[in-house]
Amino acid sequence: EPEVTQTPSHQVTQMGQEVILRCVPISNHLYFYWYRQILGQKVEFLVSFYNNEISEKSEIFDDQFSVERPDGSNFTLKIRSTKLEDSAMYFCASSGQGIYGYTFGSGTRLTVV
Amino acid sequence: AQSVSQHNHHVILSEAASLELGCNYSYGGTVNLFWYVQYPGQHLQLLLKYFSGDPLVKGIKGFEAEFIKSKFSFNLRKPSVQWSDTAEYFCAVTLNSNSGYALNFGKGTSLLVTP
Repeated sequence: EPEVTQTPSHQVTQMGQEVILRCVPISNHLYFYWYRQILGQKVEFLVSFYNNEISEKSEIFDDQFSVERPDGSNFTLKIRSTKLEDSAMYFCASSGQGIYGYTFGSGTRLTVV
Repeated sequence: AQSVSQHNHHVILSEAASLELGCNYSYGGTVNLFWYVQYPGQHLQLLLKYFSGDPLVKGIKGFEAEFIKSKFSFNLRKPSVQWSDTAEYFCAVTLNSNSGYALNFGKGTSLLVTP
């Protein structure tokens, strides 16, 4: 069964540093997403990406965040200057035609110290 | 504001007991509904989904859910739970008209099944 792959599985970074989280969506999918889950809390939508541009973003997705699909296979989330409160599990997801085949990756646990 | 509510935050059941987890949403338009399960230390796994058609949806691992439009509900059920069903369960909704197909998740229900 096709999978969404995320790397690394764990990342520890110092406050103020830039971090890039990487995702390889399912190959024929068209929509790409990032979500985060702070420990003990619900899963929150960050951003969706379609046709090489952001199609929707939440209030959480401020100027510190950016997304990119640099080479047609990878989908990255960059946090420019990490804060302690960015510590969370970050999930990438992709879907085919709209909502069909919505699949989540296994997540990257980001710890900001 | 649009919201998804899961009223049961923590549920403890004995094996073989029946399960029903509530999910209500506040959107007025056409919606797509999902239930995800997250086993300890693992990622989100789709249990079942409803887009259209028969409002009674069957998913994996013996789970089912019923969409009741008049009640804005999509409750998850399982006739007989097993210890291996211990996990966090999330209801999620996306609007059919949503250009970005963002999923709005409920806060989750933690299920503990005891032997």
